[in-house]
Amino acid sequence: DTAVSQTPKYLVTQMGNDKSIKCEQNLGHDTMYWYKQDSKKFLKIMFSYNNKELIINETVPNRFSPKSPDKAHLNLHINSLELGDSAVYFCASSPQGHRDTDTQYFGPGTRLTVL
Amino acid sequence: RKEVEQDPGPFNVPEGATVAFNCTYSNSASQSFFWYRQDCRKEPKLLMSVYSSGNEDGRFTAQLNRASQYISLLIRDSKLSDSATYLCVVNGRPGGSYIPTFGRGTSLIVHP
Repeated sequence: DTAVSQTPKYLVTQMGNDKSIKCEQNLGHDTMYWYKQDSKKFLKIMFSYNNKELIINETVPNRFSPKSPDKAHLNLHINSLELGDSAVYFCASSPQGHRDTDTQYFGPGTRLTVL
Repeated sequence: RKEVEQDPGPFNVPEGATVAFNCTYSNSASQSFFWYRQDCRKEPKLLMSVYSSGNEDGRFTAQLNRASQYISLLIRDSKLSDSATYLCVVNGRPGGSYIPTFGRGTSLIVHP
């Protein structure tokens, strides 16, 4: 009965590789997000999709590409991984992202380590 | 000036103490405000929304001061289980989309 799930939970990989992280929510929410939390614990939004449409695209390298096959899924693909990509990546969802009162529900996070 | 600023702490308090955190924000057009709690190596979870009139949920009280652009969280009668990082979140609307901006969090350690 997990609300927002992510796979994998841990990801260890070499520099230069390409990897994907998957996210699914079973809450029926319209909006999904990807956040990056670095070693200094700053949680920064990367992307947001509302009903499969990209609505927020913060300044992230082109190597990061989100894909939303349907409104319950938002995957994150990362090309040519770099050391600085090591972080915890959180997926989140909210009922309607364009409402300022929306609560966000976070997945458990994916801890990415690039060697 | 950072968009959302919090004192990282840690705040080290004994059980039963009252502790307060502040969070300042720079965007005067910010629309909504929240406190989230994040336990070590876990995801953030909503603690409470912050309303203009202030709101209380058990031992937790949140207040908003729009004139001075800060929000606060007061925890009364601290429990060991309150030990966590408390994240301030401000929703702005630059360019039309609501963009949630997180502070770096304030660490609270409650000791016996």
